[in-house]
Amino acid sequence: DGGITQSPKYLFRKEGQNVTLSCEQNLNHDAMYWYRQDPGQGLRLIYYSQIVNDFQKGDIAEGYSVSREKKESFPLTVTSAQKNPTAFYLCASTFLNGANVLTFGAGSRLTVL
Amino acid sequence: DQQVKQNSPSLSVQEGRISILNCDYTNSMFDYFLWYKKYPAEGPTFLISISSIKDKNEDGRFTVFLNKSAKHLSLHIVPSQPGDSAVYFCAASANSGAGSYQLTFGKGTKLSVIP
Repeated sequence: DGGITQSPKYLFRKEGQNVTLSCEQNLNHDAMYWYRQDPGQGLRLIYYSQIVNDFQKGDIAEGYSVSREKKESFPLTVTSAQKNPTAFYLCASTFLNGANVLTFGAGSRLTVL
Repeated sequence: DQQVKQNSPSLSVQEGRISILNCDYTNSMFDYFLWYKKYPAEGPTFLISISSIKDKNEDGRFTVFLNKSAKHLSLHIVPSQPGDSAVYFCAASANSGAGSYQLTFGKGTKLSVIP
């Protein structure tokens, strides 16, 4: 079955440590996205990538970094510079031929202790 | 500045009745609108969409209405079922150029369908 796989589902880290969240898709989608969800805040865009080796900042990119070395993969690193990293992180992807539906992964819950 | 607004954080409806979820937007460049449904600790799943060239789109129990002049859309669920209890997100996109596609989300409305 095609889909988006995010790992790990739950992650605990100490303050000051960098953390990398994995996102893999086998849908042959062109574009991939990272969103963050906080209670009462909806989904906010962190980074997105439309082609391999290229990505753009979203609305809340500070303290995060990404890479897009392969079409299928778009890992997100939450760095120690992110002031409030505890959140639910969602990866999504879509084709780029016109307006399309984003398909989301199941999410990763990061808790910084 | 919030471009997509869902002003009702929560809504409770009796099973079998109609659920109406509302969404307002401020960006006149938005030309495609979507509704997503989300359960706790899961990713959002696509529910229904509408293009700005239409004013209504229906899919089974779900209907989305778009009023462009008012910059308002609504999602109707009839009849509501307990399994519809979830958070519903309104999202919008603008045709921002070749190969560029982004969704802007509202903050969500938590729907509770009471048996």
